Amino acid sequence: ETGVTQTPRHLVMGMTNKKSLKCEQHLGHNAMYWYKQSAKKPLELMFVYNFKEQTENNSVPSRFSPECPNSSHLFLHLHTLQPEDSALYLCASSQDSASGGNEQFFGPGTRLTVL
Amino acid sequence: GQNIDQPTEMTATEGAIVQINCTYQTSGFNGLFWYQQHAGEAPTFLSYNVLDGLEEKGRFSSFLSRSKGYSYLLLKELQMKDSASYLCAVRDGDYQLIWGAGTKLIIKP
Repeated sequence: ETGVTQTPRHLVMGMTNKKSLKCEQHLGHNAMYWYKQSAKKPLELMFVYNFKEQTENNSVPSRFSPECPNSSHLFLHLHTLQPEDSALYLCASSQDSASGGNEQFFGPGTRLTVL
Repeated sequence: GQNIDQPTEMTATEGAIVQINCTYQTSGFNGLFWYQQHAGEAPTFLSYNVLDGLEEKGRFSSFLSRSKGYSYLLLKELQMKDSASYLCAVRDGDYQLIWGAGTKLIIKP
């Protein structure tokens, strides 16, 4: 248990559906992250929030829309996804996003399958 | 460009020692992390190196050479539970984490 929870753990959706992934951290951290993990590929950073402000958007398609209502919660809203978006979506948090040695704590991930 | 290289897969025997290498080319350097990820689980932090040298933590040690853009993770007295993927990540000059694809370590009895 890392102090970061994600729901749902598994999600199957059609290309026309709209769904949301939820992440919550209980560590008092100020930075939260969304990553995409595909088989045998490096973790891809999607979004970074530091003190509730989005600081990074790594050229992510607009069909992924993040929301960070407070420092403890992070959402990823999904709509009109493509089959190639099927992957493990990991949420992480850290004390802040700018300090060198701050490790990131990861949630268990949401396994997303787009049909 | 920014690049992290590590072997895709390694096999070792229970009780033995294994060294997992990581080489990197990044625009700036603000530390290197190693994470462990068991299949179907979240990555968990193992070590952080920002200065050259060896950091030892129980059965696991991590080494860094900034001049060579090189790090390794050394696992001693291997146990079956050490079967996992090991991820190398470098924090670049903009404090972004650049990740390697991970090394899958298979431990055999």
